Amino acid sequence: DTGVSQNPRHKITKRGQNVTFRCDPISEHNRLYWYRQTLGQGPEFLTYFQNEAQLEKSRLLSDRFSAERPKGSFSTLEIQRTEQGDSAMYLCASSSKTAEAFFGQGTRLTVV
Amino acid sequence: EDQVTQSPEALRLQEGESSSLNCSYTVSGLRGLFWYRQDPGKGPEFLFTLYSAGEEKEKERLKATLTKKESFLHITAPKPEDSATYLCAVQEGGSNYQLIWGAGTKLIIKP
Repeated sequence: DTGVSQNPRHKITKRGQNVTFRCDPISEHNRLYWYRQTLGQGPEFLTYFQNEAQLEKSRLLSDRFSAERPKGSFSTLEIQRTEQGDSAMYLCASSSKTAEAFFGQGTRLTVV
Repeated sequence: EDQVTQSPEALRLQEGESSSLNCSYTVSGLRGLFWYRQDPGKGPEFLFTLYSAGEEKEKERLKATLTKKESFLHITAPKPEDSATYLCAVQEGGSNYQLIWGAGTKLIIKP
C-alpha cells in the first residue's frame, strides 16, 4: 500500500497523559499536513511541513501540541497533558507541488 | 472573512434519484477548490480539483462544476455505495497550502 499511513488508528488515554501519533506520507510527497476533525465538522488545519521544515502552525494550536518531521520523511504529532477537548480524529495528509492532498485513515483520540 | 458553506447539511435520496450538492465560498482570490468524499471513521478521499470558473470534471456518477462564487457536485443515478459525507475545501490565493473547509454534506442513498 503506497498511501498515507497513520498509527495508531485508535488511542484512548487518561486526561493529563501525553500521546504521540505517527504519520508516514506518500514517499515522493514533500508536503505534509496535520488536521484535526470533530464530528460533523470539516478538518481543521493544525500544521504544515515542507520537507523537514515546519512552515506554519495554526494560531488555534496550543503549546501543548508539537509536531516534528525529522529528515523530511515521517512525522509525529505529540499532545502533552491531554484534555477532554482534545478528543477528535487527527488526520495527516501529504501532497506534491500539485496541491491535491491525500489523507491517511486518521487516529481517533479519546481522552477520558 | 474567508469561509466555505456547504448545503444541504444532509440529503436523503432514493437509488437512481439524481441531485446536486452545493459549496459556496468567499475567499480573496481562488487558487483551487477541492472535493473530497469521507466515509465514517476514515480520512477524506480526494475526488476533484477545480481551478477556474467554467471548469468541469467528471468521475463515474459524479460531476463537479465551478462558478465564481460556488461549486456544485452533481450526482447522477446514485447507488447506495455513494453514501458518504462530501467535503468541499478552498485554497485561497495568498496561501500555498492552507485549505478552508466546509462542514460537509452527508449523503444517504436508499436502495
